[in-house]
Amino acid sequence: GAVVSQHPSRVICKSGTSVKIECRSLDFQATTMFWYRQFPKQSLMLMATSNEGSKATYEQGVEKDKFLINHASLTLSTLTVTSAHPEDSSFYICSARPTRGVEETQYFGPGTRLLVL
Amino acid sequence: KNQVEQSPQSLIILEGKNCTLQCNYTVSPFSNLRWYKQDTGRGPVSLTIMTFSENTKSNGRYTATLDADTKQSSLHITASQLSDSASYICVVSAIRGGGADGLTFGKGTHLIIQP
Repeated sequence: GAVVSQHPSRVICKSGTSVKIECRSLDFQATTMFWYRQFPKQSLMLMATSNEGSKATYEQGVEKDKFLINHASLTLSTLTVTSAHPEDSSFYICSARPTRGVEETQYFGPGTRLLVL
Repeated sequence: KNQVEQSPQSLIILEGKNCTLQCNYTVSPFSNLRWYKQDTGRGPVSLTIMTFSENTKSNGRYTATLDADTKQSSLHITASQLSDSASYICVVSAIRGGGADGLTFGKGTHLIIQP
């Protein structure tokens, strides 16, 4: 149990275009999901907290107008990288916190590799 | 400031050998500590989770220890296999505070198992 999926697993796009990444909790409901970014050989960096039915909370330094987050249901959160630039190329990972369960428990998705040309 | 430091940064060992990875943290108030395995290009997968009262926890060939007094943890891998090659990340959870997700991540130890 407790599986989180991400789609797509990898995407290549042209500079200036927008890319949408989906994060789904497959067998549990998640009121809260998190979006992380990871650069090579670096730790995961929290970008934003996604709450079902309300606005996302962004970490300092993360542009909310560039990284649009929508958490329309208890099993789906989406991250849209708008007007992507080469410096946005990174590994994006989501995690989901079960609505019912230990508060600190999170399950991570497999990640999405984004390459902006 | 909550911090998690891992050592070594990278490690190369021969297949079949044992190894131990270290994690020191300053996260407070402490809730739990997890070790994750992250294969290249994949998301982290939980290996062990320990709360304040637990000193050791095993998961197959992986054994984690926790000393809450010195705020240190270790992950011991026994009889390493080629599939153990990955990054191992120590993640400490705070009861309150820390990031919005309540987690503080270490930078990981990059482990390479050579045949």
